[in-house]
Amino acid sequence: EVQLVESGGGLVQPGGSLRLSCAASGFTFSSYWMSWVRQAPGKGLEWVANIKQDGSEKYYVDSVKGRFTISRDNAKNSLYLQMNSLRAEDTAVYYCARVRSAAGTPYYYYAMDVWGQGTTVTVSS
Amino acid sequence: DIQMTQSPSSLSASVGDRVTITCRASQSISSYLNWYQQKPGKAPKLLIYAASSLQSGVPSRFSGSGSGTDFTLTISSLQPEDFATYYCQQSYRAFTFGPGTKVDIK
Repeated sequence: EVQLVESGGGLVQPGGSLRLSCAASGFTFSSYWMSWVRQAPGKGLEWVANIKQDGSEKYYVDSVKGRFTISRDNAKNSLYLQMNSLRAEDTAVYYCARVRSAAGTPYYYYAMDVWGQGTTVTVSS
Repeated sequence: DIQMTQSPSSLSASVGDRVTITCRASQSISSYLNWYQQKPGKAPKLLIYAASSLQSGVPSRFSGSGSGTDFTLTISSLQPEDFATYYCQQSYRAFTFGPGTKVDIK
């Protein structure tokens, strides 16, 4: 069964740090781009970051640049999100997602086709 | 950055109704547009990718169309399990989600 399981969420004070993990199973993890997406309480979805199969390319939403770092360990089938300098507005459910690709012109078509159940991050004093 | 808008923000419909949701991009994104369904407390589910391609396992009552800046998600005959929030998402340049459209029971 294809599965993603997030962990590492919790309560952290403003300015603090947290590291989220996402364990993948049931597919060849090293063959896929991966993403983190978050959802603040009662709000919509916000894409956070993407990482290429070999970790050589990483992209972030402007609001987390310089504070969050996405990484992966293909030997462990794991995706990570290191979150530093956390703010109240980072409070959200964080989902990891697998990114499927299909040939397109001029770029590949990318979509998030497998999602984890989410892990909750609360930034509060 | 590419901004996404959706209309309406919410709608009420009955089982069996034909439902149409519109998504607009702030610049041309060709067909780099996906649609997701999310139910309360659950992770999103991919419905449509590349504007009009149905994701495996998704019922054929869901369809997508459009190109450039204007896109549409259509549910041909609304079923009880379709009451949810729907998001569009562009993948032309990084990723951006639309604000969502909540479909509830009339």
